[in-house]
Amino acid sequence: QKEVEQDPGPLSVPEGAIVSLNCTYSNSAFQYFMWYRQYSRKGPELLMYTYSSGNKEDGRFTAQVDKSSKYISLFIRDSQPSDSATYLCAMARNQGGKLIFGQGTELSVKP
Amino acid sequence: DAGVTQSPTHLIKTRGQQVTLRCSPKSGHDTVSWYQQALGQGPQFIFQYYEEEERQRGNFPDRFSGHQFPNYSSELNVNALLLGDSALYLCASSTGQGANSPLHFGNGTRLTVT
Repeated sequence: QKEVEQDPGPLSVPEGAIVSLNCTYSNSAFQYFMWYRQYSRKGPELLMYTYSSGNKEDGRFTAQVDKSSKYISLFIRDSQPSDSATYLCAMARNQGGKLIFGQGTELSVKP
Repeated sequence: DAGVTQSPTHLIKTRGQQVTLRCSPKSGHDTVSWYQQALGQGPQFIFQYYEEEERQRGNFPDRFSGHQFPNYSSELNVNALLLGDSALYLCASSTGQGANSPLHFGNGTRLTVT
């Protein structure tokens, strides 16, 4: 079993839809949770960075962490075609430690 | 403000050869990590360098080695290349050990082994 599980999709939604992306994990030692966006032929770009459980909002993006369920989510409101990319969840046990990534979910937002 | 830069962007090598990939961290960052990303997969941690020493290592064979220079730049070396080493190699930088500093990634080097 992988430490971090993420549905690879692909996920296709119409412009303006609310998108929900999720990851589950098995290691309760993870304390730091991140979401990265990766466009084709580019490196991952950090979207959200959270510590422990709770919610964090940044513009159209909201990240949620539920450590009791070992489940994290990323919500994208009013999705745009420019949001079409692969979204990677990542986790770490400590600050500055190695990241464990999910497989990535490919998202396509249709005009 | 220059981000993480990697060179070359693309590379084609033959099985059994050796390759060196290079990375310059984001300005102000002193820690460099290397990741391997196979097609359709998430990045996998190779190792991390801080103060010119390897601080952490993932589950990769000794064929993978690295170096960090006094200016914080870094190299990744892979010996005796296998077809399975074909992947996108990502460099990421951050500040210090234990600091609240998320990783910033470069755009990677696409290595193809034939």
